[in-house]
Amino acid sequence: QVQLQESGPGLVKPSQTLSLTCTVSGGSISSGSYYWSWIRQPAGKGLEWIGRIYTSGSTNYNPSLKSRVTISVDTSKNQFSLKLSSVTAADTAVYYCARGTGSSWYWWFDPWGQGTLVTVSS
Amino acid sequence: DIQMTQSPSTLSASVGDRVTITCRASQSISSWLAWYQQKPGKAPKLLIYKASSLESGVPSRFSGSGSGTEFTLTISSLQPDDFATYYCQHQETFGQGTKVEIK
Repeated sequence: QVQLQESGPGLVKPSQTLSLTCTVSGGSISSGSYYWSWIRQPAGKGLEWIGRIYTSGSTNYNPSLKSRVTISVDTSKNQFSLKLSSVTAADTAVYYCARGTGSSWYWWFDPWGQGTLVTVSS
Repeated sequence: DIQMTQSPSTLSASVGDRVTITCRASQSISSWLAWYQQKPGKAPKLLIYKASSLESGVPSRFSGSGSGTEFTLTISSLQPDDFATYYCQHQETFGQGTKVEIK
């Protein structure tokens, strides 16, 4: 079955760019109609959707983060990536990648990666 | 934007209890709702999609119902493995979560 795994630095300095990669195994990132998504969760808080990229390469972002977020896909490596610029302590969270299934107007997330903690601190 | 509101925020229950969690949408979302279970230190796990469709492998004690603006997740007989936080989700919006604690 498809599995997702996040990777990237666990510590990022304020004002710098957070970069994470999600590696997809057990299936091709290009096959099917899926939305490859990033979701984050600050410690002790709820889930916040960051954005997604469709298999065609089109993207959608959370309006509250849109000016700082870029999601891209590398089909040759079966990976998709997140870049979040100008980070502050408020961006400290566990970051999850997940596969979105459904349609352009309704979707659910399954499976999820195990999550990776990113701390923003000098 | 559609807001998703869960109640209660915390629920204390005993093994064997029937548990119901409610999720309300700020406007009609038809049956387009999913439910997840999250345990500490773990990623959320899909339980229910399209309001009432049980994800493969999820125990049948979990069920979902509702349409429009009001939805429920029911655990028919709470098991020790079910103590966790539960989230509803519609499109990019998640509810704030309901923590099910041991009474």
